[in-house]
Amino acid sequence: KQEVTQIPAALSVPEGENLVLNCSFTDSAIYNLQWFRQDPGKGLTSLLLIQSSQREQTSGRLNASLDKSSGRSTLYIAASQPGDSATYLCAVRPRRETSGSRLTFGEGTQLTVNP
Amino acid sequence: EAGVTQSPTHLIKTRGQQATLRCSPISGHTSVYWYQQALGLGLQFLLWYDEGEERNRGNFPPRFSGRQFPNYSSELNVNALELEDSALYLCASSLGGQAFDEQFFGPGTRLTVL
Repeated sequence: KQEVTQIPAALSVPEGENLVLNCSFTDSAIYNLQWFRQDPGKGLTSLLLIQSSQREQTSGRLNASLDKSSGRSTLYIAASQPGDSATYLCAVRPRRETSGSRLTFGEGTQLTVNP
Repeated sequence: EAGVTQSPTHLIKTRGQQATLRCSPISGHTSVYWYQQALGLGLQFLLWYDEGEERNRGNFPPRFSGRQFPNYSSELNVNALELEDSALYLCASSLGGQAFDEQFFGPGTRLTVL
């Protein structure tokens, strides 16, 4: 059974700092990995999608890497801003047939960027 | 282009009642997914519909059911509501049922069971 773990569970940083969020998964047989952002009580906003054949994806101040063999992904946020404060979720799409097309999520990292 | 929409935004029910949640996918998307985000349990996969058929379901009891209409919109029905069904229910859509298709999420329906 695929399990996704995110470390740390919570992170508080001063504005302007660069930071890294970590995601690990137990089964390397995945189609892709997605990073999402969730504001309190809201839905999910997709940030980056990395297909299994890719090593990284970049969007603005965000960079996500994928090391499928070791079951790890990182989300790098450059020059953090208070508006980046949210919960960041990592999700994988398992290849196992019984998993279908579902996403398996981590518990998330709650990020607070202090002005 | 409109994103995934869900209704209602909030829903309050009492134990034993039935709840119906609705989702409209992004135009052109044929797959709809339902997830439950309960406090302390994280996001759990509920159901996947594609081209009007249920393709997969998560580890939830049969009182969680749904359907997908010809216009690809979807309903999630929860019968015999229990207190632990209180959660944020998120709907997502994707272009098709391919495993590599990106899923786009709606704003969610907050269900409260009293």
